[in-house]
Amino acid sequence: SQQGEEDPQALSIQEGENATMNCSYKTSINNLQWYRQNSGRGLVHLILIRSNEREKHSGRLRVTLDTSKKSSSLLITASRAADTASYFCATASWDNFNKFYFGSGTKLNVKP
Amino acid sequence: DTEVTQTPKHLVMGMTNKKSLKCEQHMGHRAMYWYKQKAKKPPELMFVYSYEKLSINESVPSRFSPECPNSSLLNLHLHALQPEDSALYLCASSQDSSDTQYFGPGTRLTVL
Repeated sequence: SQQGEEDPQALSIQEGENATMNCSYKTSINNLQWYRQNSGRGLVHLILIRSNEREKHSGRLRVTLDTSKKSSSLLITASRAADTASYFCATASWDNFNKFYFGSGTKLNVKP
Repeated sequence: DTEVTQTPKHLVMGMTNKKSLKCEQHMGHRAMYWYKQKAKKPPELMFVYSYEKLSINESVPSRFSPECPNSSLLNLHLHALQPEDSALYLCASSQDSSDTQYFGPGTRLTVL
């Protein structure tokens, strides 16, 4: 992708386990956002973290941002079968007119 | 109301047809977007409208023609498309260009 990559590309875990996805990007950013997409449907916004923040929580979600390494991680704790989806990070930068660039995505499968 | 609606949900068209995709939001957002998403790929930005004016065109072929009739509506006019244009077309809106983007469910387009 234009901005970066996510890993792993695919992740399969059992219900109740934690899932960690990583996102790397290439340029300086204003903020980084995580989205979820169920198969063939629209994207649902999960969380936004600004460039001056290091960690944010929202329910079972924890996002970290390391601007020195140009990377972010999304942790989903106590996963459920309903968390099965593709997860994308998206970055926005003032240098690039705040255009959104999406990472390549992680396909998460949570087995019941 | 945090919903972005898109019509139609599915569209099948021939290469000589003219059709339009519609997107609507009633959140008072001033920025609206069109994205194209191919299977197993992240969304790719096509157009950005800010305050009803086209602000970004990501070098999209002229067979795709966007239109923003008012602050709540965004259209994408399609003409003489190619089979490779088959994809999920996503509309999004945000309060301003640096804010969280809210996505519609998408239109699944098939070009025969």
